Amino acid sequence: NAGVMQNPRHLVRRRGQEARLRCSPMKGHSHVYWYRQLPEEGLKFMVYLQKENIIDESGMPKERFSAEFPKEGPSILRIQQVVRGDSAAYFCASSPVRGETGELFFGEGSRLTVL
Amino acid sequence: GENVEQHPSTLSVQEGDSAVIKCTYSDSASNYFPWYKQELGKGPQLIIDIRSNVGEKKDQRIAVTLNKTAKHFSLHITETQPEDSAVYFCAASTDTGNQFYFGTGTSLTVIP
Repeated sequence: NAGVMQNPRHLVRRRGQEARLRCSPMKGHSHVYWYRQLPEEGLKFMVYLQKENIIDESGMPKERFSAEFPKEGPSILRIQQVVRGDSAAYFCASSPVRGETGELFFGEGSRLTVL
Repeated sequence: GENVEQHPSTLSVQEGDSAVIKCTYSDSASNYFPWYKQELGKGPQLIIDIRSNVGEKKDQRIAVTLNKTAKHFSLHITETQPEDSAVYFCAASTDTGNQFYFGTGTSLTVIP
């Protein structure tokens, strides 16, 4: 049973470009979370999605950032017009139906570097 | 919202000694407290968790304690080994909440 798959693992972008990070949850999981981790810091919640629905995006910057989890295919975190401050590791996590176990299963992360 | 604080930020112990990491939380509605281990270049992985109806839980060399009144919980690792070296994160959540609130992490180094 494959775990949470994230790609790309590393992404380099120049300021002003767009970054797209993809996440395929574990089989059978319908809940996806995106977290951002800055160097030497903890995990900061960005957004929580279920299939075709954004449930909570309170941690996501209002501008330039968007997320989706379509009926088919992976969840995508999109950052438009990237700036140096967007450089971070972005982790996706999935869980089974909310309330059953509570455990989050994390992917290995996508490390974004903005030049 | 919830605020989770974690201490210490770095911890070095001799192999075989015990390590203790402490976290506090602010929201009395939080009732699920997982601990995650993150090795270099990897994603966090759950190592143990505790729910608010339990005061202590143990799994081999790892144990977690919870004091709901004081709103703090701790991770205890006994007989530490070099492979325990990693960054450990505590977190708090509720069954009905949408977020897991993470502490800022503790970098544990076990010296052989």
